[in-house]
Amino acid sequence: EAGVVQSPRYKIIEKKQPVAFWCNPISGHNTLYWYRQNLGQGPELLIRYENEEAVDDSQLPKDRFSAERLKGVDSTLKIQPAELGDSAVYLCASSSLISGYNEQFFGPGTRLTVL
Amino acid sequence: SQQGEEDPQALSIQEGENATMNCSYKTSINNLQWYRQNSGRGLVHLILIRSNEREKHSGRLRVTLDTSKKSSSLLITASRAADTASYFCATYMEYGNKLVFGAGTILRVKS
Repeated sequence: EAGVVQSPRYKIIEKKQPVAFWCNPISGHNTLYWYRQNLGQGPELLIRYENEEAVDDSQLPKDRFSAERLKGVDSTLKIQPAELGDSAVYLCASSSLISGYNEQFFGPGTRLTVL
Repeated sequence: SQQGEEDPQALSIQEGENATMNCSYKTSINNLQWYRQNSGRGLVHLILIRSNEREKHSGRLRVTLDTSKKSSSLLITASRAADTASYFCATYMEYGNKLVFGAGTILRVKS
């Protein structure tokens, strides 16, 4: 079974430029999460989807961040415009009702560097 | 904000020794989970302990939970070089349906 797929793995951009990250969750997982992990810290939740619906986006900086999960499968996280402080690893995770949403499966992440 | 705090921040041991990491948290939880993150890779779920459990084992891993002290510990026995990684505790909140991670413990196992 394929795991959570993320692309790109690395991205370097100039500040004020836009950037987008893509995530394909494990097949059949209806819950999808985007996390941001700063250096030396644990992941922090940005947004959680149940199928197509964003059920928790309280930590998403909505002035510059946006996300979508069309058709309840793949998801895209966008930053526009990027700031220096956005440099971090962006992790996507998914979980399923079968596991009671207790275990989350993480992708390898996208390491973003904003210059 | 992060609810869990791991202790120590970093730990260096010799292969074959045991490694113990601690986690404290602030609010009521449904369960507590430990994850491992190798350099440059995603997080991998290791073990889950529910709020009504006190101890759980999985292979060389032993987890304890003390809800009265709001703390947990992860013991890795007979450590191997391949155990070198960052270990994170994550609390599944009793309310809010959210997993909150601590800052992690960096474990280095020297061969």
